[in-house]
Amino acid sequence: GDSVTQMEGPVTLSEEAFLTINCTYTATGYPSLFWYVQYPGEGLQLLLKATKADDKGSNKGFEATYRKETTSFHLEKGSVQVSDSAVYFCALSEGSGTYKYIFGTGTRLKVLA
Amino acid sequence: DAGVIQSPRHEVTEMGQEVTLRCKPISGHNSLFWYRQTMMRGLELLIYFNNNVPIDDSGMPEDRFSAKMPNASFSTLKIQPSEPRDSAVYFCASSPRTSSSYNEQFFGPGTRLTVL
Repeated sequence: GDSVTQMEGPVTLSEEAFLTINCTYTATGYPSLFWYVQYPGEGLQLLLKATKADDKGSNKGFEATYRKETTSFHLEKGSVQVSDSAVYFCALSEGSGTYKYIFGTGTRLKVLA
Repeated sequence: DAGVIQSPRHEVTEMGQEVTLRCKPISGHNSLFWYRQTMMRGLELLIYFNNNVPIDDSGMPEDRFSAKMPNASFSTLKIQPSEPRDSAVYFCASSPRTSSSYNEQFFGPGTRLTVL
């Protein structure tokens, strides 16, 4: 079945460092891909999305490109802030009318001042 | 919009007791999802509804768990009897059903359940 694999955390960075969180997927069809963020004590929020190959999703300085050839959707940010400390989830939507998501295990990011 | 509303936010109960978690989705959304989050297993989809009808309940752990959606604005997740291993954060999410492949899910703040 479809699946999402994320890099293990936690990831600890200094403020203004470059961030990469790896995400790869397996899917039989043509899924949409998402990054969600969960701040402490809150539910998940959509960070960015890409619905087809070579699409780049971006929001709040974060970017991810849908790479069909490598089945990847890595999250990047050029300069992280303390306020970016959170858990980041990669997800795919199977589409085909099911509207069901498959989430990765989440990667905890801690940014130090 | 008030967003997805869940109640209670925290629940502490004793093993064997019945627990009912409640969710009010965003008005106009057609799909509703129940998730469970634990450190060990991450985020697991328990069940989801389209237009109040359960579509996939394959994630429901066992018969002790049941979910209902009597109307478009309300859903419950019930655990009876509860066990300590049910301790987790339970999230409800809703989504507008469109013809697009992009179908963002909007999450509630979660209910933290502790079963002693």
